[in-house]
Order: sequence, then structure tokens, then C-alpha cells
Amino acid sequence: QVQLQESGPGLVKPSQTLSLICTVSGDSISSGNHYWSWIRQPAGKTLEWIGRIYTSGATNYNPSLESRVTISVDTSKNQLFLSLSSVTAADTALYYCVRDWGGAHPDYWGPGTLVTVSS
Amino acid sequence: VLTQSPLSLPVTPGEPASISCRSSQSLLHDSGYNFLDWYLQRPGQSPQLLIYLGSDRASGVPDRFSGSGSGTDFTLKISRVEAEDVGVYYCMQALETPRTFGQGTRLEIK
Repeated sequence: QVQLQESGPGLVKPSQTLSLICTVSGDSISSGNHYWSWIRQPAGKTLEWIGRIYTSGATNYNPSLESRVTISVDTSKNQLFLSLSSVTAADTALYYCVRDWGGAHPDYWGPGTLVTVSS
Repeated sequence: VLTQSPLSLPVTPGEPASISCRSSQSLLHDSGYNFLDWYLQRPGQSPQLLIYLGSDRASGVPDRFSGSGSGTDFTLKISRVEAEDVGVYYCMQALETPRTFGQGTRLEIK
């Protein structure tokens, strides 16, 4: 059973960097069968795709966030990372780590971690 | 841009339900597949993949759920709504990055 678990600070100050970790079990990030993505959801709103990474390290980012976001992996620990710099209140959201099955279809989602940007 | 309708859908248990998703551009890939997925987000839960490539049911999804459409117009149908189907339904285009989602359709039981 594939499981993903997000972790990180629940509160980040404005202008600082948001850093999250996703620990994957039941599948190997380095298997090369899937992409691994981050998606976020502000309270009461729709989902916003942040970006994805392949085992090779190749990434795709949402142009609306590209200047501030970095996604990386540690294959030895089977972990996925998200870094979002210069955060504002608009970055307050539930952040999901997701397996992108076949590079196209998010099929396994973590439970999500709530990040609030506030001083 | 993906536009869903209706945004709210009250349904009596046992009755059918239908949700529309319209794309501002064609989601038909050269392969012949439509890169449109459907998700259900139950209250307090993460989204769950229901339908991929427009009409293929994901593993474990009941056959009362079906997807149809091509190009820019897609429909998710539930043949007989059950209480566990309550939540918000999203369509998502998987043709290109960035992936984008519809606004969501909230299904509630009458």
C-alpha cells in the first residue's frame, strides 16, 4: 500500500521560506515509474498544482510560483521536499504530497499538512 | 481553464447525478486519449482519483461512477447516488503542465 506523509512547520512568518518534507512508503521514488508532485488547497478553494519532480531530478513548476519554488528528492531516504520562499498570507493552505501515476494522474495523496503564514 | 457546472448539486439517494466540466482548450492527445481526470474530495479527506483519461475508472471505484466526453466537454455521471458520495468533485486536465483543476462541484444529499 502506497502511503505519503507530509511534515513540516505549521506556522511560517511572512517573507520567510516554507519547507516541507514528504516521506513515501510502499513505493520507491527512484523506481522511475511515476512523477512526484506537490499540490495545495487554500481553505474553501480549489486545488492548485505547485510542481513535480521525476527521479532524474527533472522538474516542472507552476509558472505562477516558479520564481519561489524548489522541489527536490532524497532517493536514499525516499523523501520529497518542497521549498517556497518569500511567503505571504496567500500561501496559507493545506499542502499535499502526491504520486503522479504515469506522470499524468495523481493517484495517491498524503493526508495534507496545513501551513499558515502569519506573523 | 476548466469550468464545472453546477457548483452545487443536491441529490436524493438512489437518484442519478451528472456534473459537467468544460475546458477552454481541447484535452484530446495525439494518442487518441482525453487527458481529463475526475476526483472526489470527501469532507475532511484528501482527493481520491475516480476517473482518468476521461472514462477509465480508477482501481476500486464503484461502477456507478462513469466518465464520458471528448475534446472540450466532459461529464461525470453517478447512476445511483449513495450517502458516501457526498463531497466536492473536481475535474483536472492532465494534458500539460501546470495541471489545472475546475472550481469544484459540491454534491449533497437532500
